[in-house]
Amino acid sequence: EPEVTQTPSHQVTQMGQEVILRCVPISNHLYFYWYRQILGQKVEFLVSFYNNEISEKSEIFDDQFSVERPDGSNFTLKIRSTKLEDSAMYFCASSDQGRDYEQYFGPGTRLTVT
Amino acid sequence: GQQVMQIPQYQHVQEGEDFTTYCNSSTTLSNIQWYKQRPGGHPVFLIQLVKSGEVKKQKRLTFQFGEAKKNSSLHITATQTTDVGTYFCAGVGVTGGGNKLTFGTGTQLKVEL
Repeated sequence: EPEVTQTPSHQVTQMGQEVILRCVPISNHLYFYWYRQILGQKVEFLVSFYNNEISEKSEIFDDQFSVERPDGSNFTLKIRSTKLEDSAMYFCASSDQGRDYEQYFGPGTRLTVT
Repeated sequence: GQQVMQIPQYQHVQEGEDFTTYCNSSTTLSNIQWYKQRPGGHPVFLIQLVKSGEVKKQKRLTFQFGEAKKNSSLHITATQTTDVGTYFCAGVGVTGGGNKLTFGTGTQLKVEL
């Protein structure tokens, strides 16, 4: 069964450093998403991406965050200058249609900012 | 903004007992989805409800969507140890074009033998 993959599984970085989290969505999917989950809390929406542009973003997704689909398979989340409070599990998800279709989540990247 | 609350936050049951989690949205939803997250895992899609008053069953799991499309519930009959995890509802609002899921606060289920 096709699945969303994410790399790395765990990233440790120092405050102020840039990180890029990578995702390979399911190949025929058109909608891509990033969510984050701080330990023990609920999953929070960050951004959705369709047709090579951001379609919606949350208040969390400020100027420090950016997303890119550099080629036909990868989908990346960049955090320019990490803060301690960015420490969380970051999940990538994809869906093959929009509003009324399930989203498939990747295994996540645990980001630890020290 | 849209908020989705779930109760209870935690539930401990003996194996074989039933379990129910309730989900309430502050705004009307286009659809609601349910996800299960095992400890240390990622959310895994269970089901989607779209129509007002819809009821769907998956083996021992029964999902309901309220008439006003603002609340939902998940009921598990005769829980098993494999049901352990956190159950999240996630709503898609009627406005906004990004298809974002607003996750509920989750109900953590523990099943004891």
